[in-house]
Amino acid sequence: GESVGLHLPTLSVQEGDNSIINCAYSNSASDYFIWYKQESGKGPQFIIDIRSNMDKRQGQRVTVLLNKTVKHLSLQIAATQPGDSAVYFCADHLTDSWGKFQFGAGTQVVVTP
Amino acid sequence: KAGVTQTPRYLIKTRGQQVTLSCSPISGHRSVSWYQQTPGQGLQFLFEYFSETQRNKGNFPGRFSGRQFSNSRSEMNVSTLELGDSALYLCASSRGDRADTQYFGPGTRLTVL
Repeated sequence: GESVGLHLPTLSVQEGDNSIINCAYSNSASDYFIWYKQESGKGPQFIIDIRSNMDKRQGQRVTVLLNKTVKHLSLQIAATQPGDSAVYFCADHLTDSWGKFQFGAGTQVVVTP
Repeated sequence: KAGVTQTPRYLIKTRGQQVTLSCSPISGHRSVSWYQQTPGQGLQFLFEYFSETQRNKGNFPGRFSGRQFSNSRSEMNVSTLELGDSALYLCASSRGDRADTQYFGPGTRLTVL
């Protein structure tokens, strides 16, 4: 079936380094993608999104890259900070689907001093 | 602008009971989607409501139901609770377009004993 999966369950990164979190999706009909950050005891928090007609989008310290050819999505966090420690999810929306996103398993990012 | 609110934040129930969870979307948002989050299955889509109508439904048994009121507030109900229903239940609100950004609430942690 369709799935959105993350390549690495845990990513350890040193404070100040850049982080890259990867995500694979399987459905070519996905038209919209969102990255969320979830801290312990909280709901997922919107980070950045990208539509399927784009291949790159930048926010504050974050960049999302979309490669539709290989169905791959990545989130880059620049100058990672301790507050970036959390679980990161990619989510994709299927064209013609109302209000439903498919979520990956999540990647735990641990920032070490 | 106030975010998505969910009540209660924590619930403990026993098998066979039923439970009702509430979600108030961001002001102006008319769509509410519900998700179940468990360690084993991740985030799974339950259903989506817009203008008091269910527009989409995930693969959950009929014990899971929902509704939406004219002010866009939504409730979900789980009847005949099972141990496996223990999870974090998240609601997300959006304006209601087909591929629209979803913003999540803090969730309701349900424990079934």
